[in-house]
Amino acid sequence: DAGVTQSPTHLIKTRGQQVTLRCSPKSGHDTVSWYQQALGQGPQFIFQYYEEEERQRGNFPDRFSGHQFPNYSSELNVNALLLGDSALYLCASSLITSGRAVGEQYFGPGTRLTVT
Amino acid sequence: QQQVKQSPQSLIVQKGGISIINCAYENTAFDYFPWYQQFPGKGPALLIAIRPDVSEKKEGRFTISFNKSAKQFSLHIMDSQPGDSATYFCAAGDDMRFGAGTRLTVKP
Repeated sequence: DAGVTQSPTHLIKTRGQQVTLRCSPKSGHDTVSWYQQALGQGPQFIFQYYEEEERQRGNFPDRFSGHQFPNYSSELNVNALLLGDSALYLCASSLITSGRAVGEQYFGPGTRLTVT
Repeated sequence: QQQVKQSPQSLIVQKGGISIINCAYENTAFDYFPWYQQFPGKGPALLIAIRPDVSEKKEGRFTISFNKSAKQFSLHIMDSQPGDSATYFCAAGDDMRFGAGTRLTVKP
């Protein structure tokens, strides 16, 4: 049973550039959430996708956008990169039941983004 | 933004001892409280979780204690082992508000 996978593993970008990160959920899961984890901090919720739509969003600017595909995989896009966007970006998958997330989220290994 | 406060920031325990990590939340609408374990370079892994209809849940050496009236919950690791050395995060709510993390070191 494949767990959550993310690509790429590491990425180095220059300030002002744009980046796309990818995530494939755990088999059987239909919901994908994205988190930003700065060094030494807890993960911060960016947004959650279900049925190809953004279901919930955290306190992140519009430079952060996403997409979910019919096969439940997802992309996170960040435009106009800032130095402060350097972090580990985590994808987590879960299952929606009766219209709400059941809560059990499984995380991927993350993508380490460095903005120079 | 932070609605989950976690303590302590770091914890050193001798092998065989009990590790205790505490979390407090603000939003009474939260109804799901997981604990995650994270090793360096890895994503968080779900350890154990509880819903507010029970006051305690035990899985092996890991126990969650939940106090709804105090809006607090804690993780107890019994017989702590060096392999338990990691960063532990509590979280709450459907959109998973995470605590700041506790770095646990278990000395042999």
